Amino acid sequence: DAGVIQSPRHEVTEMGQEVTLRCKPISGHDYLFWYRQTMMRGLELLIYFNNNVPIDDSGMPEDRFSAKMPNASFSTLKIQPSEPRDSAVYFCASRETGLDTDTQYFGPGTRLTVL
Amino acid sequence: AQSVAQPEDQVNVAEGNPLTVKCTYSVSGNPYLFWYVQYPNRGLQFLLKYITGDNLVKGSYGFEAEFNKSQTSFHLKKPSALVSDSALYFCAVRDMASLKAAGNKLTFGGGTRVLVKP
Repeated sequence: DAGVIQSPRHEVTEMGQEVTLRCKPISGHDYLFWYRQTMMRGLELLIYFNNNVPIDDSGMPEDRFSAKMPNASFSTLKIQPSEPRDSAVYFCASRETGLDTDTQYFGPGTRLTVL
Repeated sequence: AQSVAQPEDQVNVAEGNPLTVKCTYSVSGNPYLFWYVQYPNRGLQFLLKYITGDNLVKGSYGFEAEFNKSQTSFHLKKPSALVSDSALYFCAVRDMASLKAAGNKLTFGGGTRVLVKP
């Protein structure tokens, strides 16, 4: 398996623009997580899905952020409008159900810079 | 609520010397504990985990960690560090007492940067 795939790897945009980050989880994994990493706040969980359904979005910073998972192999995280403080590395991770398979597998991340 | 503390922002060690990265946790029930490593410009990679059983867990790249329930700690160790071990290390916990409330969330520590000098 290719692992968790994220695109783009780097995104530079101007304040006010819409940004869409994409994630393809590992095939067969039924959980998908979106994280944000910054120097100031470390690694934060934004939202996670189980079987394509959002379970907990309490980490989503504000209404400008939205996430969808239309099917088992694709998820998006959208920021509209983007602001400079959204600059961070955004990670997607996936895992499968089971007590012995509790490990999350992370994608390479998308480095977002909002000017 | 579950929480993780990594008291050291950075650990410096000479190549060949033992490496220890500290982690303490707080949960209301039994913990699932994890260590992840992040190399520059990469995503987090799973190193090892403690679910149940033997308190000493062995993982990838020669790393091991010891679960200590009385001290609520899960320190990461490597007997002989390599320059290539220089990276950012994250401890994470999942509280098994709150499977429904916390769902499947992992709580990560702030990370410890390890620098191994030749």
